[in-house]
Amino acid sequence: DAKTTQPPSMDCAEGRAANLPCNHSTISGNEYVYWYRQIHSQGPQYIIHGLKNNETNEMASLIITEDRKSSTLILPHATLRDTAVYYCIVREVGSSGYSTLTFGKGTMLLVSP
Amino acid sequence: GAGVSQSPSNKVTEKGKDVELRCDPISGHTALYWYRQSLGQGLEFLIYFQGNSAPDKSGLPSDRFSAERTGGSVSTLTIQRTQQEDSAVYLCASSSWTSGNNEQFFGPGTRLTVL
Repeated sequence: DAKTTQPPSMDCAEGRAANLPCNHSTISGNEYVYWYRQIHSQGPQYIIHGLKNNETNEMASLIITEDRKSSTLILPHATLRDTAVYYCIVREVGSSGYSTLTFGKGTMLLVSP
Repeated sequence: GAGVSQSPSNKVTEKGKDVELRCDPISGHTALYWYRQSLGQGLEFLIYFQGNSAPDKSGLPSDRFSAERTGGSVSTLTIQRTQQEDSAVYLCASSSWTSGNNEQFFGPGTRLTVL
């Protein structure tokens, strides 16, 4: 079972920031928070991940609360091409460095003109 | 550069027939994963290969499903005696452990329709 809770859908106006929340209240100390997105008819695409510090890359920013029980993915200037289902995933990375992804239902983000 | 490729992109088959789905991972990636996505649902893990280790088959839904990975590269997912509930998009992903990130790169998927 997915260990995260996300709203089923969100709307955002083009050019505005999209803030996608995720609750992961049972997260353990060795689990990371990963975000992927899936544009219609495509495979999922990695966005960003973090452990406890806030992270930023060319696609997005990830804000993780101090208690690590929730996080927010921020798309600073949403475009129409950002319309997709966004998945927040809690994932343990073992000593081998590999683990599978457990996807929930995600948040359908609709960016409108 | 070349990403993960899958073939065929679409497959329509009759109930009871066997099907084979192919995945070509990114060159050099030692981990390969199969997932499936039924209509309107999230992704469901099926099986995972990592290097020469025994595969993790814990997600396979029944013994009609099997997968092989030959030479540590190409993988084939086989579904025997297909059923209508097997209809889904089957996604393959590969990854390589680098600097603490295990980003998985997904292929475009194979859409399987069982009539």
